[in-house]
Amino acid sequence: QQQVKQSPQSLIVQKGGISIINCAYENTAFDYFPWYQQFPGKGPALLIAIRPDVSEKKEGRFTISFNKSAKQFSLHIMDSQPGDSATYFCAASRVKTSYDKVIFGPGTSLSVIP
Amino acid sequence: GAGVSQSPSNKVTEKGKDVELRCDPISGHTALYWYRQSLGQGLEFLIYFQGNSAPDKSGLPSDRFSAERTGGSVSTLTIQRTQQEDSAVYLCASSRTSGGVYNEQFFGPGTRLTVL
Repeated sequence: QQQVKQSPQSLIVQKGGISIINCAYENTAFDYFPWYQQFPGKGPALLIAIRPDVSEKKEGRFTISFNKSAKQFSLHIMDSQPGDSATYFCAASRVKTSYDKVIFGPGTSLSVIP
Repeated sequence: GAGVSQSPSNKVTEKGKDVELRCDPISGHTALYWYRQSLGQGLEFLIYFQGNSAPDKSGLPSDRFSAERTGGSVSTLTIQRTQQEDSAVYLCASSRTSGGVYNEQFFGPGTRLTVL
């Protein structure tokens, strides 16, 4: 119930293409869904996040699509660039409770080739 | 302001020795997490401290692992009788308490532990 599933495990995309990473959860108590980006040798950093009361959130080339009924959400990276090559983690949290532990998905390694 | 800091940045130890890893969270952050990340792998949750509540230790892989947080600030992760499979990067993260809104986790640079 606490698990967040993520796919694919790795992804190779041509420069300029669209990168899509999918996540799914089971616990309907989750009410916040952030995505973290990690470059080699660095700790993860928050990229973009969404609440379940909206179906889409866009920040620049990054868009989260959220399907509450299916309990799925995805990250789309438009016009992917080599600088986007990193590991991406989706996550889920319950912010409306005092127990707001963040649950991370297993991660997706993205390589954008020129 | 200063971010999350961790020390040492690298630690090489011999199998069977004990090690201590330190995390200094961002001032004012009440939540603190420890994760383990093996090469090319995901974030393995170890332990979660939130304010004065009892820590969530559900991710600690064995009783050789322990962590404490003194005064609600600095945290130390201790691994006793290290094994080669303990070799990984240990990441610390901190955040403000939720208060009904999501608070971003800020990660430290990690400690790379190598057990020979």
